[in-house]
Amino acid sequence: KAGVTQTPRYLIKTRGQQVTLSCSPISGHRSVSWYQQTPGQGLQFLFEYFSETQRNKGNFPGRFSGRQFSNSRSEMNVSTLELGDSALYLCASCPRGTTNEKLFFGSGTQLSVL
Amino acid sequence: ILNVEQSPQSLHVQEGDSTNFTCSFPSSNFYALHWYRWETAKSPEALFVMTLNGDEKKKGRISATLNTKEGYSYLYIKGSQPEDSATYLCASVMNRDDKIIFGKGTRLHILP
Repeated sequence: KAGVTQTPRYLIKTRGQQVTLSCSPISGHRSVSWYQQTPGQGLQFLFEYFSETQRNKGNFPGRFSGRQFSNSRSEMNVSTLELGDSALYLCASCPRGTTNEKLFFGSGTQLSVL
Repeated sequence: ILNVEQSPQSLHVQEGDSTNFTCSFPSSNFYALHWYRWETAKSPEALFVMTLNGDEKKKGRISATLNTKEGYSYLYIKGSQPEDSATYLCASVMNRDDKIIFGKGTRLHILP
């Protein structure tokens, strides 16, 4: 069974640009959640999608958005990039939701904003 | 605001020794507690998810306990091996459909 796949692996952007990251969950998993990892911080929850609906959202500005497609693949978009958005972005999937199920993480997208 | 605290931040342990570290979380409205292991250059890997007070889970040499009334969980590693070197993350969920909140992790270094 294929794991969680994130693309691209690395991305370099400049301030003001926008970026779209992609996440393909494990087959059969309907929940996809996104996280930001920065030096000195733990994993910070961005949002969770389940059956194409955003079910939960973390404390991030509106520049961060996402969506989920009918095949459960998810995309995350960051508009008007800032230097502080440089981070490792991880997505995770699980069958039904994040609460009492183990999360399966992808390898992440390392975003650098110059 | 839900705050998940892990201690210590970093730990050096001699190979063969046993060790443990702590995850603290608000006890009100507790729903679930997760533990993950994150090795360098890899993805976080789930170890345990616990929901009931007094839960104890074991996977090989690693075990975890949960006290929801006082808001803490311990992770134990018996007979540490080099492959145990990793960051161990805990995460808590309040209420069934709430978001998951991660601690900053405990970085474990196993000394040969």
